[in-house]
This record gives sequence, structure tokens and C-alpha cells, in this order.
Amino acid sequence: ETGVTQTPRHLVMGMTNKKSLKCEQHLGHNAMYWYKQSAKKPLELMFVYNFKEQTENNSVPSRFSPECPNSSHLFLHLHTLQPEDSALYLCASSRHSHGDVLTEAFFGQGTRLTVV
Amino acid sequence: KQEVTQIPAALSVPEGENLVLNCSFTDSAIYNLQWFRQDPGKGLTSLLLIQSSQREQTSGRLNASLDKSSGRSTLYIAASQPGDSATYLCAANQAGTALIFGKGTTLSVSS
Repeated sequence: ETGVTQTPRHLVMGMTNKKSLKCEQHLGHNAMYWYKQSAKKPLELMFVYNFKEQTENNSVPSRFSPECPNSSHLFLHLHTLQPEDSALYLCASSRHSHGDVLTEAFFGQGTRLTVV
Repeated sequence: KQEVTQIPAALSVPEGENLVLNCSFTDSAIYNLQWFRQDPGKGLTSLLLIQSSQREQTSGRLNASLDKSSGRSTLYIAASQPGDSATYLCAANQAGTALIFGKGTTLSVSS
């Protein structure tokens, strides 16, 4: 248990469905991230939230929509996805200290998404 | 743009061997370098964090070193065990940026 919890662990959705992934951290961190992990590729950064403000959107298609209502919760809303969006989606958190230096990042167990 | 490379992509060793995993990065202006372990279908477990002012970190049988000037980090695993079998990922971040990952080294330790 890393202190970062993701739900659901597995999700199968059709291309016309709308679903949401949830991430919650109990570490007192102020930065949260979404990463995508596809087979044979490095982890790809999708979104970064720092103090609840989105600070990075790594050219992610609009069918992925993040939401960060507070510094402990992060959502990824999904709609009209494609089969190539099937992947492991990982959430992480870390703490910004003085001087804008990120500290050790902790990851959740991920959501295995299959788009059919 | 920072790029992180890990060599080898896969490694098989017999139990008890000492081994070294390599990580290189293109931009030496990093703040942190972090090593992770990932078991199949699972999330990432943080192993070691090396801050830019540090040269190495140790945890049990693991030792990670950092040479910013040459753009390299190594993860040394002593007396490997079958339970060490997993994918090992290194990641680097620069000022205010999120971690950038390599593709990982998949380690298999046979008994």
C-alpha cells in the first residue's frame, strides 16, 4: 500500500460509453499526475496538477478530461474512447517543496482499461 | 526534451548473482532521479530516490548511483533472488516537471 489508491482496478468500456477513473492520495502531497502505460512503450505523462491547478497537458486528446477538485483527489473522465486507448492508467502524487523541487513520487496500482 | 534510456531491455541471471542495471538521460540538469520496481499488471513501487546533490543511495541489497555530468545512473542489486524478478524503471525530473521514464529493464532471476 503506497498511500495512493486508484479505482476501479479493471474497467471494460464500449467506445460510446462515459466512465471515470478515480485516484485518491493520503500522503499530504500537493501535486498529482496521470500517466498512461501501453505495451512496449515508456510511461507517458498525460496531465499534471499542482495545488489543484493543471500545469501540464501533454497533448492528450480531448476524449480524456481530468478533474482535480482538491489536492487529495484526481479524476480522469473518459468518453468516446478508441480501442488504442486500452492501457494501464497510473496515478501518482508528490510534494512540491521550497524552490519548486518535486520530491519522491508514489504511484497507485493502476486501472487496467480495455476499450471494446 | 529529456529522454531516458535503459539498457539492457531484459536480463536473466541465476540466483545469487550481483547485477547492474543502467539508465542514461540526455539532459544533465535534473533535480531527482528515481528508481521503481513494477510487477506484472501492477503499479510502480518506489525503490530509491537520488536528489541532484547526492551521488548514491542505498536500501538493503540495492544501491543506486548518479553521475549527472555523464548523464548516467546505475542500480546495483546484490545477491539477487527470484523475488527480485520484475521490471525496473528509472525516471528523471527537472525543475518543476514531472518524471520522465525509460522503457525499463525486465529482470528474471532463476533459482
